[in-house]
Amino acid sequence: RKEVEQDPGPFNVPEGATVAFNCTYSNSASQSFFWYRQDCRKEPKLLMSVYSSGNEDGRFTAQLNRASQYISLLIRDSKLSDSATYLCVVNGGRAGTALIFGKGTTLSVSS
Amino acid sequence: DTEVTQTPKHLVMGMTNKKSLKCEQHMGHRAMYWYKQKAKKPPELMFVYSYEKLSINESVPSRFSPECPNSSLLNLHLHALQPEDSALYLCASSSNTEAFFGQGTRLTVV
Repeated sequence: RKEVEQDPGPFNVPEGATVAFNCTYSNSASQSFFWYRQDCRKEPKLLMSVYSSGNEDGRFTAQLNRASQYISLLIRDSKLSDSATYLCVVNGGRAGTALIFGKGTTLSVSS
Repeated sequence: DTEVTQTPKHLVMGMTNKKSLKCEQHMGHRAMYWYKQKAKKPPELMFVYSYEKLSINESVPSRFSPECPNSSLLNLHLHALQPEDSALYLCASSSNTEAFFGQGTRLTVV
């Protein structure tokens, strides 16, 4: 099993749609979970950290299920500007252990 | 300051050149990373430093040599690279609860 697996995508949705991305991780000792957004030819930028209780930031909601080793990202009311690649990132579980990336899911929002 | 600063932003080098990429952060993060990213692929881990010690080397060729002079700085020394080493090189730093990337160095080997 790969360390971090994501929906392969691409997701092509109209403006206003709700879209959900899923991610599973293999290391049960992982402590920190993130969603990053990467635009073409740019560095990944932190979108949200993911907390055990779930967290929401405007149109974005992140959920963590430790028992199933599963993370999700929900985007409501999609905007054209949401078009990007979304990367699920998991800390390996030990202090200083590498950030492990999923392969990313590409979202394209059209008008 | 939640910034990771990488220099240079762009680098073109010949296969016989020696160059260095630099990365700096002042967030007190004790883990720092080098990643390599090719077009349309996710970042691939190269090296991890934890408390200024190399903790992970993902079987990277010896023409890439990392160095961590102190807790704020991370270098990547390049020597005798190949054209297939052309990529975006990203530096990141993290604590247990947050992680940030630099803007990357876009490297072209000619």
